[in-house]
Amino acid sequence: DAGVTQSPTHLIKTRGQHVTLRCSPISGHKSVSWYQQVLGQGPQFIFQYYEKEERGRGNFPDRFSARQFPNYSSELNVNALLLGDSALYLCASSRGQGPTEAFFGQGTRLTVV
Amino acid sequence: QKEVEQNSGPLSVPEGAIASLNCTYSDRGSQSFFWYRQYSGKSPELIMSIYSNGDKEDGRFTAQLNKASQYVSLLIRDSQPSDSATYLCAVNILHLTGTASKLTFGTGTRLQVTL
Repeated sequence: DAGVTQSPTHLIKTRGQHVTLRCSPISGHKSVSWYQQVLGQGPQFIFQYYEKEERGRGNFPDRFSARQFPNYSSELNVNALLLGDSALYLCASSRGQGPTEAFFGQGTRLTVV
Repeated sequence: QKEVEQNSGPLSVPEGAIASLNCTYSDRGSQSFFWYRQYSGKSPELIMSIYSNGDKEDGRFTAQLNKASQYVSLLIRDSQPSDSATYLCAVNILHLTGTASKLTFGTGTRLQVTL
């Protein structure tokens, strides 16, 4: 079975632009969460989606939004990019919405210039 | 106080030795605990999960949980150079809304296994 897949793997954007990151969870997993990891820090929780509904949101501005599709894949959107948005964006797939194991994709490295 | 705390290291151990990685957490409502390994430039890889007090062994890895002390650790036996990586402790805390859960990570401990 394929693991969690994310696209693109690398991205360079200019301040003020918009970006869309994509994630396909492990087959059979219905929960997708998004995390941001900056250098030297642990991943920070952005969103959790389960059964196409937002179930939790971390301390991120409204410029960040996400959605989950009927096939459980997900998109993370970031508007009005700032230099500080440069980070590794990670998608985590888990079977249910509760405190179960989560598996990460390879991540999208976003650089804002 | 940080929600999840780890010593950033680096922790240096010789090849074949036991590496001991430690983590404390602040939320007594935490329900599940995980260790991830992250190589430089890569994404975190789940290596251990533990849900109840005591020890859990998987190959060369042993996770230990003590909820009363709010402490979780990871032991790596017979350390190999390929174990050199950053180890992230993650705690699953039920979201305030009660309908979601999120992983809260420590900053990670960098492990160096020397020849």
